[in-house]
Amino acid sequence: SQQGEEDPQALSIQEGENATMNCSYKTSINNLQWYRQNSGRGLVHLILIRSNEREKHSGRLRVTLDTSKKSSSLLITASRAADTASYFCATRGTSGSRLTFGEGTQLTVNP
Amino acid sequence: GAVVSQHPSWVICKSGTSVKIECRSLDFQATTMFWYRQFPKQSLMLMATSNEGSKATYEQGVEKDKFLINHASLTLSTLTVTSAHPEDSSFYICSARGPGDNKYEQYFGPGTRLTVT
Repeated sequence: SQQGEEDPQALSIQEGENATMNCSYKTSINNLQWYRQNSGRGLVHLILIRSNEREKHSGRLRVTLDTSKKSSSLLITASRAADTASYFCATRGTSGSRLTFGEGTQLTVNP
Repeated sequence: GAVVSQHPSWVICKSGTSVKIECRSLDFQATTMFWYRQFPKQSLMLMATSNEGSKATYEQGVEKDKFLINHASLTLSTLTVTSAHPEDSSFYICSARGPGDNKYEQYFGPGTRLTVT
């Protein structure tokens, strides 16, 4: 079964606004990753945050991780129409053997 | 670096036929590759993990005789959907575990859209 749950399932915002997506998981993790997928395309790796990290930045992306709450958030600042895509969190368990994906958030950025 | 390719990018086949999908790591050797399946507007579901030179490990509920996986070399894994049926229509994505210090990270192929008519 999928470990990660994401909310919201869908998010629609205007260009220039910030978008926040949340991910919750159930078991201990080695790291948590965020991916983007444009419609009908493969996955693009966005950012990885390790279990001993609390926050990470990459360009307009900011990821937080709260292992006590088993949750993570992805913030996209100053969104652009090109950010329209599905965003998935994925967790790597402590055994390191598999990557488990959340259900995803469909982000629509309206120009 | 760490590019994964898939071929074909899309395929349409008739019910009852078999289809082979290739996954290649272009600039690194991948001892472990993963095959995922994704239905429209859903997440990726891991189907199986393949290790070079050994049998694939299938996830619960995935028929190993229907989804044949061969990881014959360090740069190539294939997924063959045998006796395909319309319900097998899906987006299939492979992933390869990274090299060296990145061996715990995965690099994803662009996916293969399979449509069974």
